[in-house]
Amino acid sequence: KNQVEQSPQSLIILEGKNCTLQCNYTVSPFSNLRWYKQDTGRGPVSLTIMTFSENTKSNGRYTATLDADTKQSSLHITASQLSDSASYICVAPSGGSYIPTFGRGTSLIVHP
Amino acid sequence: KAGVTQTPRYLIKTRGQQVTLSCSPISGHRSVSWYQQTPGQGLQFLFEYFSETQRNKGNFPGRFSGRQFSNSRSEMNVSTLELGDSALYLCASSPGTTSDTQYFGPGTRLTVL
Repeated sequence: KNQVEQSPQSLIILEGKNCTLQCNYTVSPFSNLRWYKQDTGRGPVSLTIMTFSENTKSNGRYTATLDADTKQSSLHITASQLSDSASYICVAPSGGSYIPTFGRGTSLIVHP
Repeated sequence: KAGVTQTPRYLIKTRGQQVTLSCSPISGHRSVSWYQQTPGQGLQFLFEYFSETQRNKGNFPGRFSGRQFSNSRSEMNVSTLELGDSALYLCASSPGTTSDTQYFGPGTRLTVL
């Protein structure tokens, strides 16, 4: 069964600090791994899409890593801002059918 | 370019009724996907349409159906509503390939009483 697990479930950090969110996946066959940011009351916004051959991908202060051997991905946020407060969702579509499997998300709160 | 739009934004229905939600994709996008988001289950994939054909389908009962028109606009229908259908329904559009970035709309908040 395809699964995507994220940790921690929630995280509180101070503005300006860095943080790392984790995503473990068991999706077969693997196609790509995506990270989304979802603000409260809004639709998700794509941060990164990583394929099997990519180890690292950056989008501004967001850097995603992918380890295809251990089936783990992380999202690192540098110099956090209040606007980073949101839910971060990891998604892995199955390469065969493209049915996406979603993680439950990490709720990040950035305090001033 | 205008983003993905969904109508209505909020909807209240009673059990047993049916509902139709609408999604207008970004101009030029041919793929539209629908998702259900609830606090209990998180985000779940409903189905995807590409060039008026259902290309992929998630694990939802037949009460959930959809269609796509020639202008790529899509509708989703839920018949015989149940309390558990209360959720945020999101649609997302992309140019067409499965590796494309998906752009989500703001969602339709459906409450079933």
